[in-house]
Amino acid sequence: QVQLVQSGAEVQKPGASVKVSCKASGYTFTGYYMHWVRQAPGQGLEWMGWINPNSGGTIYAQKFQGRVTMTRDTSITTAYMELSSLISDDTAVYYCARVNKGDYGYYFDYWGQGTLVIVSS
Amino acid sequence: QSVLTQPPSVSGAPGQRVTISCTGSSSNIGARYDVHWYQQLPGTAPKLLIYVNSNRPSGVPDRFSGSKSGTSASLAITGLQAEDEADYYCQSYDSSLSGYVFGTGTKVTVL
Repeated sequence: QVQLVQSGAEVQKPGASVKVSCKASGYTFTGYYMHWVRQAPGQGLEWMGWINPNSGGTIYAQKFQGRVTMTRDTSITTAYMELSSLISDDTAVYYCARVNKGDYGYYFDYWGQGTLVIVSS
Repeated sequence: QSVLTQPPSVSGAPGQRVTISCTGSSSNIGARYDVHWYQQLPGTAPKLLIYVNSNRPSGVPDRFSGSKSGTSASLAITGLQAEDEADYYCQSYDSSLSGYVFGTGTKVTVL
């Protein structure tokens, strides 16, 4: 069965960076793009970008360009999301999510359990 | 600021039918992009509920149904149950933003 298991909660200071991992299993890792979505406390879902695990190619939401880096290690079927220059507004639960193809667009068919990142001095 | 608008909350008694709207524009839903729906139970990750406008993944009860027309989409829950209390989000793609977008979210309360 498809599983996405994320790394544990983090507390970081403003200005620091955080790197969240997402270990995939139960399917061919390189066959599906991986996206990252975040959710601030009590707020809605916000798309951050995606990585093609096969090529390593990435697309980031404009809001995060210059601050986010998505990478992967195919040898251990793990995707990573690193966010730098953290501010308090980056406090959120970060999710990795596998996408599948629809007729016009993609949908998130499997999600990780989420990683809470707290930015606080 | 989400480009897909949902009502903040809807409620109904057990057994009733409730609907959640998702209103977009000509650069997302109106541009033929699929609409998908997710259910988020308290303290858990979102779960795919409806994909490609009206399809249910295996295991999702047929009490849940989706539709799309023009620049809007809807999720209907019939025979409302206590376990349906959750937040629901629509999702699509926006060509103006060149990215994926979510709705503002709707909290469903079972009275």
